[in-house]
Amino acid sequence: AQKITQTQPGMFVQEKEAVTLDCTYDTSDQSYGLFWYKQPSSGEMIFLIYQGSYDEQNATEGRYSLNFQKARKSANLVISASQLGDSAMYFCAMRELPSSNTGKLIFGQGTTLQVKP
Amino acid sequence: GAVVSQHPSWVICKSGTSVKIECRSLDFQATTMFWYRQFPKQSLMLMATSNEGSKATYEQGVEKDKFLINHASLTLSTLTVTSAHPEDSSFYICSARDGGQGALYQFFGPGTRLTVL
Repeated sequence: AQKITQTQPGMFVQEKEAVTLDCTYDTSDQSYGLFWYKQPSSGEMIFLIYQGSYDEQNATEGRYSLNFQKARKSANLVISASQLGDSAMYFCAMRELPSSNTGKLIFGQGTTLQVKP
Repeated sequence: GAVVSQHPSWVICKSGTSVKIECRSLDFQATTMFWYRQFPKQSLMLMATSNEGSKATYEQGVEKDKFLINHASLTLSTLTVTSAHPEDSSFYICSARDGGQGALYQFFGPGTRLTVL
């Protein structure tokens, strides 16, 4: 069965510094996708970044990058130059990609990030 | 990106009443919609997967008679919480997939906060 684990319930980072949010996953499938979402206090889920299991390069989107280590089954999110607006809850999620799959996402427990001024 | 709306954004109701939550894809056709439930400081838990024109598939432990899902068109899915009780108070989020099973991304609605008195 698929499983996503985020071991950091809460993290602090100083404004303008970089921070890494950990995510490990477990799946028996060879083809899967990994997602990171940000959820501010308003509750909306904001898509940040995606990494496919067959992608050779780590995904990057602006200040977000995904440190994908397939052999270790980890997909850590790196946020560079933290801003106060980055304070939120962050979720790692996975879906298996075969077409027979319904496409549902499995979410980790989440990490609450607080950026200090 | 694609836009998903939810209505209402928040609702307060008396115990024993039923509450309907709407999820609409505004600028794309969503063959599949997903309903999640989230308690404070916790992760999203998938309740059911809804495909247009067919019965929803509920996750284990979710009462289908309690949480009625109707996906009547390619742009609208509804979740009805029947005979709501205080323990049903939660944040309900829908998401919609743009396209068929091969489509990669889900787009999330802003969520509905339900409080049952």
